[in-house]
Amino acid sequence: AQSVTQLDSQVPVFEEAPVELRCNYSSSVSVYLFWYVQYPNQGLQLLLKYLSGSTLVKSINGFEAEFNKSQTSFHLRKPSVHISDTAEYFCAVSSYSSASKIIFGSGTRLSIRP
Amino acid sequence: EAGVVQSPRYKIIEKKQPVAFWCNPISGHNTLYWYLQNLGQGPELLIRYENEEAVDDSQLPKDRFSAERLKGVDSTLKIQPAELGDSAVYLCASSLYGNTEAFFGQGTRLTVV
Repeated sequence: AQSVTQLDSQVPVFEEAPVELRCNYSSSVSVYLFWYVQYPNQGLQLLLKYLSGSTLVKSINGFEAEFNKSQTSFHLRKPSVHISDTAEYFCAVSSYSSASKIIFGSGTRLSIRP
Repeated sequence: EAGVVQSPRYKIIEKKQPVAFWCNPISGHNTLYWYLQNLGQGPELLIRYENEEAVDDSQLPKDRFSAERLKGVDSTLKIQPAELGDSAVYLCASSLYGNTEAFFGQGTRLTVV
């Protein structure tokens, strides 16, 4: 079975500052990893995913995450945030097995201060 | 391509009343999920379908919750009777396969008064 831990429930940052949202996972098998974003009163949208290959994955709006197998982490980073990045961010994990389900962390609320 | 469609978006009911939610997944997606999301929490899986078969319903409170996926396409989730603690957002999602990325609908916000 897999599990996901998001260590920070809230992360306040100033606009144009860098940010890192932490995610650690636990699994006895190889994993797929995801970051989802949820804007107020909306469903979840996929931000980026790691399935295989390069351990550094990037989104179209400047976020990136790096899969670190030895540290079982998949932290999300952005070098310069904007007000529009204010949202809830969820890390999620599944395994290579097609019978696997997607398990979500408890989320990190990113609030951007002008 | 249309995304996952859920209805209604909002529902307010009195406790002990029944309620039903509807979900239309992305065309061709074999896997359909119903998740429960409480305020300030991540989504928690209620039930997962592979085509029309419920392959994981271990977290579904079967005394009051039921779900079906007719012909392996649309799905409904029902609560009868609803309790105050059922107030939450109910999210439907679909994916090509169970372990690949899921695409979510906008959710149904249920308020039980």
